[in-house]
Amino acid sequence: QVQLVQSGAEMKKPGASVKVSCKASGYTFTGYHIHWVRQAPGQGLEWMGWMNANTGGASYAQKFQDRVTMTSDTSISTAYMELTRLTPDDTAVYFCGRDLRMAIIVWGQGTLVTVSS
Amino acid sequence: QSALTQPASVSGSPGQSITISCTGTSSDIGAYNYVSWYQQHPGKAPKLLIFEVSSRPSGVSNRFSGFKSGDTASLTISGLQAEDEADYYCTSHTTTSTEVFGGGTKLTVL
Repeated sequence: QVQLVQSGAEMKKPGASVKVSCKASGYTFTGYHIHWVRQAPGQGLEWMGWMNANTGGASYAQKFQDRVTMTSDTSISTAYMELTRLTPDDTAVYFCGRDLRMAIIVWGQGTLVTVSS
Repeated sequence: QSALTQPASVSGSPGQSITISCTGTSSDIGAYNYVSWYQQHPGKAPKLLIFEVSSRPSGVSNRFSGFKSGDTASLTISGLQAEDEADYYCTSHTTTSTEVFGGGTKLTVL
């Protein structure tokens, strides 16, 4: 079955970077875009950007434009989201998701990133 | 890109129907038929209910339906059930090739 499995929880200090992975299985990885969405504790969903798993091209939300990079390694069907210059406000669960006509049809289990000194 | 506007909360009794609105602009909801709706239970990943305004993925109950008029989209849940109690989010594609979520709506089944 189609599945996205994300890397484990991370604890980072302010100013550091984090790289979350999202391993796809059950479908042709290069056939679909991958979205990244985050959710701060008790807050709503926030779209961060998406990446064309075939070309590597990406489009980011303006808010994260200068801090986020979305990449992939097609040889292992894995997408990555790296966020730099972390602050406590970046504490959130980060989700990856597979695109279906500009919607997210399959979601990863989420990765908790905690930023604290 | 500002978030889409949803009511913070709605409620209904079992068996009733409720509608959640999602208001955007001519740069997002009004520009494309790429409106989606998600259901999220506490501690879980979101689940896609509706894509392209009114299409349901395989396995999603036909009690969930979507509609759009101008810059506003809506999700209707008919025959309300206890398990429908959750948070609901709308999202839309935008003219800058990005996506934007609504703030979310908490549904309480009385």
